Amino acid sequence: GAVVSQHPSRVICKSGTSVKIECRSLDFQATTMFWYRQFPKQSLMLMATSNEGSKATYEQGVEKDKFLINHASLTLSTLTVTSAHPEDSSFYICSGVSGANVLTFGAGSRLTVL
Amino acid sequence: QQQVKQSPQSLIVQKGGIPIINCAYENTAFDYFPWYQQFPGKGPALLIAIRPDVSEKKEGRFTISFNKSAKQFSLHIMDSQPGDSATYFCAASFYTGANSKLTFGKGITLSVRP
Repeated sequence: GAVVSQHPSRVICKSGTSVKIECRSLDFQATTMFWYRQFPKQSLMLMATSNEGSKATYEQGVEKDKFLINHASLTLSTLTVTSAHPEDSSFYICSGVSGANVLTFGAGSRLTVL
Repeated sequence: QQQVKQSPQSLIVQKGGIPIINCAYENTAFDYFPWYQQFPGKGPALLIAIRPDVSEKKEGRFTISFNKSAKQFSLHIMDSQPGDSATYFCAASFYTGANSKLTFGKGITLSVRP
């Protein structure tokens, strides 16, 4: 089946620094990837839709200058949290659309900002 | 307005029991209804999905029942096992192509006791 790899799985950074999270589709080409954010014991909140070769579409309330998304190839999308603050600490999950419109999720990346 | 509502919020069953998780949706234009299973610290994994042209779908121990007129669908887990203890999310989307943006329910925590 389709596999989406996310890296790193855990990252700790200091406040004010930037962190990049990678999302790779290993065995399929994903023209569209989605980035979600999940707080403990809560649902997944869609942050943005990432389209290969074009600008990402952000959901209402998500700061596009803070959460930079790049989808430079059909197998890689990246999320960069810029000037991170403790309130950005969260579980970030990406997903890719594989054949037959099936969404495959990565294992998630736990970001902790000190 | 929450477009996809799950109930109950949590559920505890004994091993071998049949937990039933319910989901109600608002938008009649939704036409793809998946259920996802998520273990702590991991991304969601697709369990089973249904489209509104069928009333029931079974895959292994998991069954979706769909009631289009009531705008409800439910997940039944037959012969539940402790390994089924996880968070379950229902979701809905417009099955219109690569941009399959999912709307998730809040999730329900299932505990299966030995």
